[in-house]
Amino acid sequence: IAGITQAPTSQILAAGRRMTLRCTQDMRHNAMYWYRQDLGLGLRLIHYSNTAGTTGKGEVPDGYSVSRANTDDFPLTLASAVPSQTSVYFCASSDKAGAYNEQFFGPGTRLTVL
Amino acid sequence: GQNIDQPTEMTATEGAIVQINCTYQTSGFNGLFWYQQHAGEAPTFLSYNVLDGLEEKGRFSSFLSRSKGYSYLLLKELQMKDSASYLCAGMDSNYQLIWGAGTKLIIKP
Repeated sequence: IAGITQAPTSQILAAGRRMTLRCTQDMRHNAMYWYRQDLGLGLRLIHYSNTAGTTGKGEVPDGYSVSRANTDDFPLTLASAVPSQTSVYFCASSDKAGAYNEQFFGPGTRLTVL
Repeated sequence: GQNIDQPTEMTATEGAIVQINCTYQTSGFNGLFWYQQHAGEAPTFLSYNVLDGLEEKGRFSSFLSRSKGYSYLLLKELQMKDSASYLCAGMDSNYQLIWGAGTKLIIKP
């Protein structure tokens, strides 16, 4: 089934631990994105990648890193988790970056940092 | 700065019509998106406007006024399944989406 998958679905993590959230799409989309969604706030862009091999910083990149070794995968790593990183994380993709490109979202990862 | 404003919550009756407003301020403008998000689920695309005017798609319509920095989403013949949050997002000059916090729409029988 075409789409975006994320893993894990949810995770409870101790502060200071390293964590990688996985994201895979099979639509051969060029652009991919990582957002966090917090209650009362809009989705906020963490990092993005316009094409394989390139990445860029979004609105809230501190404490997060990404890589884009191939078209399909776009993992997000928290090097040393802190409680303020408790959030729901959504991965998204679009055919390409640029005007009018509908973004397709994965099911999300609910992360709690204690 | 960049900002998207929309009401936090709205209530409407099944079968009725509801209009969800959104005002935006972005650095440059490359279009206005509306997404639907059911509780605990991912956002899904509803509409895109880049020119002034009304775009109709079944029971849902979206309007844009670039001069006023204003958009609305119009939902007709409301159904219980339309209970969800509706997210307004403006695309800036870097083709990044700036998101509003969402409007939670509650449908009552």
